[in-house]
Amino acid sequence: GNSVTQMEGPVTLSEEAFLTINCTYTATGYPSLFWYVQYPGEGLQLLLKATKADDKGSNKGFEATYRKETTSFHLEKGSVQVSDSAVYFCALPGGYNKLIFGAGTRLAVHP
Amino acid sequence: NAGVTQTPKFQVLKTGQSMTLQCAQDMNHEYMSWYRQDPGMGLRLIHYSVGAGITDQGEVPNGYNVSRSTTEDFPLRLLSAAPSQTSVYFCASSNSGKTEAFFGQGTRLTVV
Repeated sequence: GNSVTQMEGPVTLSEEAFLTINCTYTATGYPSLFWYVQYPGEGLQLLLKATKADDKGSNKGFEATYRKETTSFHLEKGSVQVSDSAVYFCALPGGYNKLIFGAGTRLAVHP
Repeated sequence: NAGVTQTPKFQVLKTGQSMTLQCAQDMNHEYMSWYRQDPGMGLRLIHYSVGAGITDQGEVPNGYNVSRSTTEDFPLRLLSAAPSQTSVYFCASSNSGKTEAFFGQGTRLTVV
Protein backbone atom coordinates (compact mmCIF):
# COMPACT_ATOMS: atom_id res chain seq x y z
CA GLY A 1 0.00 0.00 0.00
CA ASN A 2 0.87 3.66 -0.09
CA SER A 3 3.23 5.00 2.53
CA VAL A 4 5.18 8.14 3.37
CA THR A 5 8.46 8.70 5.19
CA GLN A 6 9.28 12.06 6.64
CA MET A 7 12.48 13.33 8.20
CA GLU A 8 12.45 13.30 11.95
CA GLY A 9 12.70 16.46 13.94
CA PRO A 10 12.88 18.61 15.71
CA VAL A 11 14.38 21.10 13.32
CA THR A 12 15.67 24.25 14.97
CA LEU A 13 16.55 27.26 12.82
CA SER A 14 17.29 30.92 13.21
CA GLU A 15 14.97 33.43 11.62
CA GLU A 16 15.64 33.97 7.88
CA ALA A 17 17.37 30.58 7.53
CA PHE A 18 16.59 28.20 4.67
CA LEU A 19 14.29 25.31 5.46
CA THR A 20 14.09 21.85 3.92
CA ILE A 21 11.94 19.06 5.32
CA ASN A 22 12.36 15.81 3.43
CA CYS A 23 9.45 13.59 2.42
CA THR A 24 9.58 10.44 0.31
CA TYR A 25 6.66 8.26 -0.64
CA THR A 26 5.72 4.84 -1.96
CA ALA A 27 2.56 4.72 -4.02
CA THR A 28 0.66 2.92 -6.70
CA GLY A 29 0.25 5.28 -9.62
CA TYR A 30 0.62 9.02 -9.13
CA PRO A 31 -1.61 10.17 -6.28
CA SER A 32 -1.93 13.75 -5.11
CA LEU A 33 0.60 14.77 -2.46
CA PHE A 34 0.02 17.18 0.41
CA TRP A 35 1.80 19.15 3.09
CA TYR A 36 -0.18 20.01 6.21
CA VAL A 37 0.83 22.33 9.05
CA GLN A 38 -0.30 22.16 12.66
CA TYR A 39 0.22 25.23 14.82
CA PRO A 40 0.27 24.75 18.61
CA GLY A 41 -3.16 23.87 19.97
CA GLU A 42 -4.79 23.82 16.54
CA GLY A 43 -5.94 21.34 13.94
CA LEU A 44 -4.15 20.46 10.74
CA GLN A 45 -4.35 22.95 7.89
CA LEU A 46 -3.54 22.22 4.29
CA LEU A 47 -0.38 24.15 3.44
CA LEU A 48 0.07 23.13 -0.19
CA LYS A 49 -0.57 20.30 -2.61
CA ALA A 50 0.49 18.88 -5.97
CA THR A 51 -1.81 16.73 -8.04
CA LYS A 52 0.55 15.30 -10.66
CA ALA A 53 4.19 14.61 -11.34
CA ASP A 54 6.42 17.71 -11.79
CA ASP A 55 3.75 19.97 -10.27
CA LYS A 56 4.99 22.55 -7.77
CA GLY A 57 2.71 23.44 -4.90
CA SER A 58 3.28 26.75 -3.15
CA ASN A 59 1.74 28.81 -0.36
CA LYS A 60 2.95 31.38 2.20
CA GLY A 61 6.50 31.20 0.80
CA PHE A 62 6.64 27.40 1.10
CA GLU A 63 7.19 25.23 -1.97
CA ALA A 64 7.29 21.52 -2.77
CA THR A 65 7.78 19.78 -6.12
CA TYR A 66 6.26 16.41 -6.97
CA ARG A 67 9.24 14.39 -8.22
CA LYS A 68 8.32 10.94 -9.49
CA GLU A 69 11.93 10.04 -10.36
CA THR A 70 13.00 10.27 -6.74
CA THR A 71 9.50 9.68 -5.26
CA SER A 72 9.95 12.80 -3.18
CA PHE A 73 7.97 15.87 -2.16
CA HIS A 74 10.38 17.92 -0.06
CA LEU A 75 9.12 21.08 1.61
CA GLU A 76 11.26 24.22 1.28
CA LYS A 77 11.16 27.83 2.34
CA GLY A 78 13.83 30.36 1.58
CA SER A 79 13.56 32.45 4.74
CA VAL A 80 11.68 31.17 7.76
CA GLN A 81 10.00 33.32 10.37
CA VAL A 82 9.25 32.73 14.03
CA SER A 83 5.58 32.42 13.07
CA ASP A 84 6.45 29.32 10.97
CA SER A 85 7.14 27.35 14.15
CA ALA A 86 4.77 24.39 13.92
CA VAL A 87 4.59 20.70 13.11
CA TYR A 88 4.61 19.82 9.40
CA PHE A 89 3.08 16.65 7.96
CA CYS A 90 3.55 15.12 4.54
CA ALA A 91 0.53 13.10 3.33
CA LEU A 92 -0.95 11.13 0.45
CA PRO A 93 -4.14 9.12 -0.13
CA GLY A 94 -4.12 5.53 1.13
CA GLY A 95 -6.49 2.71 1.88
CA TYR A 96 -9.70 3.08 3.92
CA ASN A 97 -10.47 6.21 1.85
CA LYS A 98 -8.16 8.15 4.10
CA LEU A 99 -4.98 10.19 4.01
CA ILE A 100 -1.73 8.61 5.15
CA PHE A 101 0.39 11.02 7.17
CA GLY A 102 4.06 11.07 7.93
CA ALA A 103 5.12 11.18 11.57
CA GLY A 104 5.41 14.96 11.48
CA THR A 105 8.42 17.26 11.76
CA ARG A 106 8.48 19.86 14.48
CA LEU A 107 10.05 23.15 13.40
CA ALA A 108 11.22 25.71 15.93
CA VAL A 109 12.39 29.08 14.61
CA HIS A 110 14.27 31.39 16.96
CA PRO A 111 14.72 35.16 16.57
CA ASN B 1 -16.90 30.32 6.71
CA ALA B 2 -17.09 27.66 9.44
CA GLY B 3 -15.62 24.60 7.65
CA VAL B 4 -15.37 21.71 10.14
CA THR B 5 -16.56 22.43 13.67
CA GLN B 6 -15.80 20.16 16.61
CA THR B 7 -17.21 20.37 20.11
CA PRO B 8 -16.16 20.35 22.86
CA LYS B 9 -12.56 21.58 22.67
CA PHE B 10 -11.61 20.03 26.00
CA GLN B 11 -13.17 17.24 28.04
CA VAL B 12 -12.26 15.27 31.14
CA LEU B 13 -14.02 11.95 31.73
CA LYS B 14 -13.89 9.36 34.43
CA THR B 15 -13.17 5.77 33.46
CA GLY B 16 -16.38 4.06 32.40
CA GLN B 17 -18.25 7.22 31.44
CA SER B 18 -19.64 7.65 27.96
CA MET B 19 -19.75 10.75 25.82
CA THR B 20 -20.20 11.97 22.26
CA LEU B 21 -17.76 14.16 20.38
CA GLN B 22 -19.60 16.30 17.88
CA CYS B 23 -18.44 17.11 14.35
CA ALA B 24 -20.25 19.19 11.74
CA GLN B 25 -19.17 20.44 8.33
CA ASP B 26 -20.81 22.98 6.04
CA MET B 27 -18.96 22.19 2.80
CA ASN B 28 -21.35 19.47 1.59
CA HIS B 29 -18.53 16.92 1.66
CA GLU B 30 -19.45 13.27 1.32
CA TYR B 31 -16.37 11.93 3.11
CA MET B 32 -15.90 12.40 6.84
CA SER B 33 -13.49 10.74 9.23
CA TRP B 34 -12.25 10.67 12.78
CA TYR B 35 -8.56 10.50 13.72
CA ARG B 36 -6.79 10.37 17.02
CA GLN B 37 -3.38 11.95 17.51
CA ASP B 38 -1.02 10.59 20.10
CA PRO B 39 2.63 11.50 20.77
CA GLY B 40 4.93 9.35 18.67
CA MET B 41 1.98 7.63 16.93
CA GLY B 42 1.02 10.23 14.36
CA LEU B 43 -2.60 10.34 13.21
CA ARG B 44 -4.57 7.10 13.27
CA LEU B 45 -7.94 6.63 11.61
CA ILE B 46 -10.76 5.54 13.93
CA HIS B 47 -13.85 5.47 11.69
CA TYR B 48 -14.86 7.01 8.43
CA SER B 49 -17.94 7.60 6.32
CA VAL B 50 -18.34 7.93 2.56
CA GLY B 51 -21.86 9.34 2.76
CA ALA B 52 -25.00 9.58 4.85
CA GLY B 53 -25.95 6.17 6.20
CA ILE B 54 -22.57 4.61 5.37
CA THR B 55 -19.78 4.14 7.91
CA ASP B 56 -16.80 1.84 8.20
CA GLN B 57 -13.96 1.07 10.58
CA GLY B 58 -10.49 2.47 10.32
CA GLU B 59 -7.30 1.30 11.98
CA VAL B 60 -8.28 1.71 15.65
CA PRO B 61 -12.09 1.41 15.94
CA ASN B 62 -12.40 -0.50 19.22
CA GLY B 63 -14.24 1.41 21.93
CA TYR B 64 -15.80 3.90 19.52
CA ASN B 65 -19.08 4.09 17.60
CA VAL B 66 -20.15 6.40 14.81
CA SER B 67 -23.27 7.10 12.80
CA ARG B 68 -23.98 9.37 9.83
CA SER B 69 -27.61 10.34 9.63
CA THR B 70 -26.97 13.55 7.67
CA THR B 71 -24.27 14.75 5.29
CA GLU B 72 -23.29 17.49 7.74
CA ASP B 73 -22.85 15.60 11.02
CA PHE B 74 -20.57 12.75 12.06
CA PRO B 75 -20.54 12.24 15.84
CA LEU B 76 -18.07 9.93 17.58
CA ARG B 77 -19.29 8.06 20.64
CA LEU B 78 -17.10 6.67 23.38
CA LEU B 79 -19.05 3.82 24.91
CA SER B 80 -17.11 3.31 28.14
CA ALA B 81 -14.10 5.60 28.42
CA ALA B 82 -10.71 4.14 29.29
CA PRO B 83 -7.42 5.91 30.11
CA SER B 84 -6.01 4.56 26.82
CA GLN B 85 -8.48 6.82 25.03
CA THR B 86 -6.79 9.93 26.36
CA SER B 87 -5.84 11.68 23.14
CA VAL B 88 -6.54 14.56 20.81
CA TYR B 89 -9.36 13.75 18.40
CA PHE B 90 -9.72 15.33 14.99
CA CYS B 91 -12.64 15.22 12.62
CA ALA B 92 -12.00 15.76 8.92
CA SER B 93 -14.06 16.05 5.76
CA SER B 94 -13.25 15.88 2.06
CA ASN B 95 -14.80 15.60 -1.37
CA SER B 96 -13.35 12.15 -1.86
CA GLY B 97 -10.81 9.74 -0.44
CA LYS B 98 -8.17 11.03 -2.83
CA THR B 99 -8.36 14.77 -2.28
CA GLU B 100 -7.27 17.04 0.54
CA ALA B 101 -9.09 16.81 3.84
CA PHE B 102 -10.21 19.73 5.98
CA PHE B 103 -9.75 19.34 9.72
CA GLY B 104 -11.55 20.63 12.77
CA GLN B 105 -9.73 22.29 15.67
CA GLY B 106 -9.65 19.09 17.68
CA THR B 107 -10.99 17.82 21.00
CA ARG B 108 -8.48 17.18 23.76
CA LEU B 109 -9.86 14.33 25.84
CA THR B 110 -8.47 13.17 29.16
CA VAL B 111 -9.77 10.01 30.82
CA VAL B 112 -8.89 9.65 34.47
